[in-house]
Amino acid sequence: LAKTTQPISMDSYEGQEVNITCSHNNIATNDYITWYQQFPSQGPRFIIQGYKTKVTNEVASLFIPADRKSSTLSLPRVSLSDTAVYYCLVVSPYGFGNEKLTFGTGTRLTIIP
Amino acid sequence: KAGVTQTPRYLIKTRGQQVTLSCSPISGHRSVSWYQQTPGQGLQFLFEYFSETQRNKGNFPGRFSGRQFSNSRSEMNVSTLELGDSALYLCASSFAGTGDYEQYFGPGTRLTVT
Repeated sequence: LAKTTQPISMDSYEGQEVNITCSHNNIATNDYITWYQQFPSQGPRFIIQGYKTKVTNEVASLFIPADRKSSTLSLPRVSLSDTAVYYCLVVSPYGFGNEKLTFGTGTRLTIIP
Repeated sequence: KAGVTQTPRYLIKTRGQQVTLSCSPISGHRSVSWYQQTPGQGLQFLFEYFSETQRNKGNFPGRFSGRQFSNSRSEMNVSTLELGDSALYLCASSFAGTGDYEQYFGPGTRLTVT
């Protein structure tokens, strides 16, 4: 299983771009990378998913280098409401219906006014 | 459309008892997964059900079990509760499960074992 490592915490000011990196050195060829956001007393919320290069949606971008040993979640122009814990999730499909789900330790992002 | 719902939201049980938690997925979703979240271990995958069949399982003891009904609703059961089972139990649903990693999580059930 791909083990992931993220920074425990990060601070940023409102309006800035925030980049959170996840390390997954032993990622397998068929693994996908997914990011979730979690607020206190709520379940995680899906942000973005990618396999390689760059993926962008309306809330974030995900950068995955060619070796895929890390990935970076980029949040443009953060606001106070982006204060949350962010999880990097490597999904390891071993075959139909046999995915193993490995959550990272999570990064607590605090946005400062 | 309505999100994932979990009942009850809070539960207090005594060591040695058993507990059943319920999850109703988003309408049309056939995959339901269960997770345990604790401050020390973080988010850990318990198991996944798809069309009433368990097709994926994490590394938890046999005291943790589940099932899924024909309407995709799912229940999780923990027997012979231990103090270490105190946690937030999260349920997530998705349309297909395999290859579809966009899961929708419920608010969770906070279980306290005394």
